[in-house]
Amino acid sequence: DTAVSQTPKYLVTQMGNDKSIKCEQNLGHDTMYWYKQDSKKFLKIMFSYNNKELIINETVPNRFSPKSPDKAHLNLHINSLELGDSAVYFCASSLWGSGDTSTQYFGPGTRLTVL
Amino acid sequence: QQQVKQSPQSLIVQKGGIPIINCAYENTAFDYFPWYQQFPGKGPALLIAIRPDVSEKKEGRFTISFNKSAKQFSLHIMDSQPGDSATYFCAARLEGAQKLVFGQGTRLTINP
Repeated sequence: DTAVSQTPKYLVTQMGNDKSIKCEQNLGHDTMYWYKQDSKKFLKIMFSYNNKELIINETVPNRFSPKSPDKAHLNLHINSLELGDSAVYFCASSLWGSGDTSTQYFGPGTRLTVL
Repeated sequence: QQQVKQSPQSLIVQKGGIPIINCAYENTAFDYFPWYQQFPGKGPALLIAIRPDVSEKKEGRFTISFNKSAKQFSLHIMDSQPGDSATYFCAARLEGAQKLVFGQGTRLTINP
């Protein structure tokens, strides 16, 4: 009965490779997000989707491409991985709206290590 | 303008003490201020949240104090326990954009 799930939990790969992280939520939310947490624990939003439409696209290299096949899924594909991409990536979801109804719920994270 | 400044970076308190974590912001377009708790290896989890038209909100041992004129808000943990040891993040949501801007985080340690 996991609310927001991500796969894989750990991802170790070589520089230059392409990899994907998958996210699914079963909360009935219409908005999903990708965050990056760096080694200093700083959390920064990368993308958000509402009803499969891209809403937020922060200044993220275009090697990162999110894809939302439906409201319950938001995947993150990363091309040509670089050392600096090593971080923990969190998926989150919420209802679109204001106040407590739009609280964001986070997944368990995917720790990406680029060698 | 979209920053949220959080302090201290780390905090050590004895069991039963009252740790206080402070946050400050500049942008008046923020309309919602949640606090998240993160344990090692886990995702952030919502702890408590407040709207700017409320000066204080309490849930169990956790209290948010909000000072709209000073653009500051803080988290107080009453009767702190070793199980409260975690990283705490304040955040502010940009009105209409559903975008959360996080503070830098505070690593809290409660000694038994």
